[in-house]
Amino acid sequence: NAGVMQNPRHLVRRRGQEARLRCSPMKGHSHVYWYRQLPEEGLKFMVYLQKENIIDESGMPKERFSAEFPKEGPSILRIQQVVRGDSAAYFCASSSRDRDNEQYFGPGTRLTVT
Amino acid sequence: GQQVMQIPQYQHVQEGEDFTTYCNSSTTLSNIQWYKQRPGGHPVFLIQLVKSGEVKKQKRLTFQFGEAKKNSSLHITATQTTDVGTYFCAGKRGNTPLVFGKGTRLSVIA
Repeated sequence: NAGVMQNPRHLVRRRGQEARLRCSPMKGHSHVYWYRQLPEEGLKFMVYLQKENIIDESGMPKERFSAEFPKEGPSILRIQQVVRGDSAAYFCASSSRDRDNEQYFGPGTRLTVT
Repeated sequence: GQQVMQIPQYQHVQEGEDFTTYCNSSTTLSNIQWYKQRPGGHPVFLIQLVKSGEVKKQKRLTFQFGEAKKNSSLHITATQTTDVGTYFCAGKRGNTPLVFGKGTRLSVIA
Protein backbone atom coordinates (compact mmCIF):
# COMPACT_ATOMS: atom_id res chain seq x y z
CA ASN A 1 0.00 0.00 0.00
CA ALA A 2 1.62 3.23 -1.14
CA GLY A 3 -0.70 5.53 0.76
CA VAL A 4 0.28 8.32 3.13
CA MET A 5 1.68 6.86 6.33
CA GLN A 6 1.72 8.49 9.70
CA ASN A 7 3.16 7.28 12.97
CA PRO A 8 2.51 6.90 15.70
CA ARG A 9 -1.25 6.59 15.36
CA HIS A 10 -1.72 7.45 19.02
CA LEU A 11 0.66 9.40 21.20
CA VAL A 12 0.33 10.25 24.87
CA ARG A 13 2.58 12.87 26.37
CA ARG A 14 2.73 14.58 29.72
CA ARG A 15 2.72 18.36 29.87
CA GLY A 16 6.19 19.71 29.12
CA GLN A 17 7.35 16.75 27.05
CA GLU A 18 8.09 16.79 23.35
CA ALA A 19 5.92 15.20 20.67
CA ARG A 20 7.30 14.06 17.32
CA LEU A 21 4.86 13.14 14.60
CA ARG A 22 6.05 11.50 11.39
CA CYS A 23 4.57 11.48 7.92
CA SER A 24 5.68 9.61 4.83
CA PRO A 25 3.93 10.94 1.72
CA MET A 26 2.54 8.82 -1.05
CA LYS A 27 5.10 7.48 -3.46
CA GLY A 28 5.92 10.12 -6.02
CA HIS A 29 4.49 12.98 -3.96
CA SER A 30 6.83 15.76 -2.97
CA HIS A 31 4.34 18.14 -1.32
CA VAL A 32 3.35 17.65 2.29
CA TYR A 33 0.75 19.48 4.36
CA TRP A 34 0.06 19.28 8.08
CA TYR A 35 -3.38 19.95 9.56
CA ARG A 36 -4.77 19.95 13.06
CA GLN A 37 -8.29 18.83 13.89
CA LEU A 38 -10.02 19.38 17.18
CA PRO A 39 -13.11 17.29 18.06
CA GLU A 40 -16.19 18.42 16.14
CA GLU A 41 -14.08 20.89 14.17
CA GLY A 42 -12.77 21.17 10.65
CA LEU A 43 -9.17 20.85 9.60
CA LYS A 44 -6.93 23.77 10.29
CA PHE A 45 -3.96 24.24 8.00
CA MET A 46 -0.61 24.41 9.77
CA VAL A 47 2.23 24.14 7.29
CA TYR A 48 3.06 23.25 3.70
CA LEU A 49 6.45 21.79 2.83
CA GLN A 50 8.36 20.50 -0.13
CA LYS A 51 11.59 18.58 0.17
CA GLU A 52 13.96 20.62 2.34
CA ASN A 53 11.77 23.72 2.09
CA ILE A 54 9.00 25.26 4.13
CA ILE A 55 6.70 26.88 1.58
CA ASP A 56 3.96 28.23 3.85
CA GLU A 57 3.88 28.09 7.64
CA SER A 58 1.18 30.70 8.14
CA GLY A 59 -0.91 28.32 10.22
CA MET A 60 1.84 27.27 12.60
CA PRO A 61 1.94 28.67 16.11
CA LYS A 62 5.02 30.85 16.43
CA GLU A 63 6.35 29.05 19.47
CA ARG A 64 6.96 25.40 20.30
CA PHE A 65 5.92 24.07 16.87
CA SER A 66 8.28 23.26 14.03
CA ALA A 67 8.18 21.15 10.89
CA GLU A 68 10.69 19.74 8.48
CA PHE A 69 10.76 17.60 5.38
CA PRO A 70 14.34 16.46 4.86
CA LYS A 71 15.82 15.23 1.62
CA GLU A 72 15.72 11.70 2.97
CA GLY A 73 13.12 10.37 5.33
CA PRO A 74 9.68 11.40 6.51
CA SER A 75 8.31 14.81 7.29
CA ILE A 76 8.36 15.59 11.02
CA LEU A 77 6.03 17.81 13.00
CA ARG A 78 7.61 18.61 16.33
CA ILE A 79 5.83 20.08 19.31
CA GLN A 80 8.02 21.09 22.21
CA GLN A 81 6.83 21.48 25.80
CA VAL A 82 3.35 20.23 25.01
CA VAL A 83 0.33 21.66 26.81
CA ARG A 84 -3.17 20.24 27.21
CA GLY A 85 -4.44 22.47 24.42
CA ASP A 86 -2.18 20.65 21.97
CA SER A 87 -4.36 17.54 22.29
CA ALA A 88 -5.86 16.98 18.86
CA ALA A 89 -5.67 14.83 15.77
CA TYR A 90 -2.83 15.83 13.48
CA PHE A 91 -3.24 14.86 9.85
CA CYS A 92 -0.65 14.88 7.17
CA ALA A 93 -1.59 15.06 3.50
CA SER A 94 0.44 14.86 0.34
CA SER A 95 -0.06 15.88 -3.24
CA SER A 96 1.76 15.30 -6.47
CA ARG A 97 2.06 18.72 -8.01
CA ASP A 98 1.05 22.18 -7.00
CA ARG A 99 -1.32 23.01 -4.20
CA ASP A 100 -4.44 22.90 -6.30
CA ASN A 101 -4.28 19.17 -6.66
CA GLU A 102 -6.25 16.79 -4.52
CA GLN A 103 -4.65 15.97 -1.25
CA TYR A 104 -4.31 12.43 0.05
CA PHE A 105 -4.56 12.23 3.80
CA GLY A 106 -2.83 9.89 6.17
CA PRO A 107 -4.64 8.13 9.04
CA GLY A 108 -3.60 10.84 11.49
CA THR A 109 -1.86 10.91 14.85
CA ARG A 110 -4.10 11.36 17.87
CA LEU A 111 -2.09 13.29 20.44
CA THR A 112 -3.26 13.30 24.03
CA VAL A 113 -1.51 15.51 26.56
CA THR A 114 -2.08 14.53 30.17
CA GLY B 1 -8.92 36.35 6.35
CA GLN B 2 -10.77 33.96 4.14
CA GLN B 3 -13.58 32.05 5.82
CA VAL B 4 -15.55 29.05 4.67
CA MET B 5 -18.89 28.41 6.35
CA GLN B 6 -20.81 25.17 6.11
CA ILE B 7 -24.41 24.46 7.01
CA PRO B 8 -25.98 22.58 8.56
CA GLN B 9 -23.56 21.42 11.23
CA TYR B 10 -25.51 18.19 11.75
CA GLN B 11 -28.10 16.37 9.69
CA HIS B 12 -30.03 13.25 10.64
CA VAL B 13 -31.95 11.55 7.88
CA GLN B 14 -33.90 8.36 7.38
CA GLU B 15 -32.29 5.96 4.98
CA GLY B 16 -33.59 6.73 1.52
CA GLU B 17 -34.06 10.47 2.15
CA ASP B 18 -32.02 13.08 0.36
CA PHE B 19 -29.32 15.19 1.98
CA THR B 20 -27.73 18.53 1.07
CA THR B 21 -24.88 20.44 2.64
CA TYR B 22 -24.00 24.01 1.70
CA CYS B 23 -20.70 25.80 1.67
CA ASN B 24 -20.20 29.58 1.52
CA SER B 25 -16.98 31.50 1.18
CA SER B 26 -16.36 35.08 2.22
CA THR B 27 -14.21 35.53 -0.90
CA THR B 28 -14.24 34.36 -4.52
CA LEU B 29 -12.51 31.02 -4.87
CA SER B 30 -10.28 29.60 -7.58
CA ASN B 31 -11.57 26.13 -6.79
CA ILE B 32 -13.44 24.19 -4.17
CA GLN B 33 -12.83 20.66 -3.00
CA TRP B 34 -15.04 18.25 -1.09
CA TYR B 35 -13.85 15.60 1.35
CA LYS B 36 -15.56 12.90 3.37
CA GLN B 37 -14.38 11.74 6.76
CA ARG B 38 -15.86 8.63 8.33
CA PRO B 39 -16.09 8.50 12.14
CA GLY B 40 -12.60 7.85 13.50
CA GLY B 41 -11.13 8.04 10.03
CA HIS B 42 -9.26 10.50 7.88
CA PRO B 43 -10.53 12.88 5.17
CA VAL B 44 -10.86 11.35 1.73
CA PHE B 45 -10.91 13.52 -1.36
CA LEU B 46 -14.20 13.37 -3.27
CA ILE B 47 -14.03 16.00 -5.98
CA GLN B 48 -12.69 19.36 -7.10
CA LEU B 49 -14.77 22.05 -8.85
CA VAL B 50 -13.06 24.79 -10.79
CA LYS B 51 -15.45 26.45 -13.22
CA SER B 52 -18.21 28.90 -12.43
CA GLY B 53 -21.56 27.11 -12.39
CA GLU B 54 -19.92 23.70 -12.67
CA VAL B 55 -21.97 20.62 -11.80
CA LYS B 56 -20.40 17.20 -11.33
CA LYS B 57 -22.00 13.90 -10.44
CA GLN B 58 -20.63 10.80 -8.79
CA LYS B 59 -23.37 8.17 -8.66
CA ARG B 60 -25.81 9.50 -6.03
CA LEU B 61 -23.69 12.57 -5.24
CA THR B 62 -24.14 15.87 -7.08
CA PHE B 63 -21.70 18.73 -6.57
CA GLN B 64 -22.31 22.31 -7.65
CA PHE B 65 -20.10 25.38 -7.78
CA GLY B 66 -21.94 28.69 -7.76
CA GLU B 67 -21.84 31.20 -10.59
CA ALA B 68 -19.95 33.69 -8.44
CA LYS B 69 -17.54 30.95 -7.28
CA LYS B 70 -18.30 31.77 -3.66
CA ASN B 71 -20.60 28.92 -2.78
CA SER B 72 -21.00 25.23 -3.37
CA SER B 73 -23.30 22.40 -2.46
CA LEU B 74 -23.21 18.64 -2.17
CA HIS B 75 -26.45 16.73 -2.62
CA ILE B 76 -26.86 13.03 -1.91
CA THR B 77 -29.90 11.30 -3.36
CA ALA B 78 -31.49 8.42 -1.46
CA THR B 79 -28.98 8.21 1.38
CA GLN B 80 -27.60 4.89 2.52
CA THR B 81 -25.97 3.93 5.81
CA THR B 82 -22.63 3.91 4.03
CA ASP B 83 -23.01 7.68 3.50
CA VAL B 84 -22.53 8.30 7.22
CA GLY B 85 -19.67 10.66 8.00
CA THR B 86 -18.66 14.29 7.98
CA TYR B 87 -18.54 16.12 4.67
CA PHE B 88 -16.08 18.99 4.41
CA CYS B 89 -15.74 21.61 1.73
CA ALA B 90 -12.38 23.32 1.32
CA GLY B 91 -11.88 26.53 -0.61
CA LYS B 92 -8.79 27.58 -2.49
CA ARG B 93 -7.94 31.13 -3.44
CA GLY B 94 -4.80 31.83 -5.43
CA ASN B 95 -1.73 30.56 -3.62
CA THR B 96 -3.25 30.64 -0.17
CA PRO B 97 -3.68 27.35 1.69
CA LEU B 98 -6.87 25.35 1.46
CA VAL B 99 -9.42 26.61 3.99
CA PHE B 100 -11.72 23.94 5.33
CA GLY B 101 -15.25 24.45 6.54
CA LYS B 102 -16.24 22.88 9.86
CA GLY B 103 -18.11 20.15 8.07
CA THR B 104 -21.60 18.71 8.09
CA ARG B 105 -21.99 15.53 10.10
CA LEU B 106 -24.46 13.18 8.46
CA SER B 107 -26.12 10.36 10.32
CA VAL B 108 -28.43 7.96 8.53
CA ILE B 109 -31.09 6.05 10.41
CA ALA B 110 -31.85 2.67 8.90
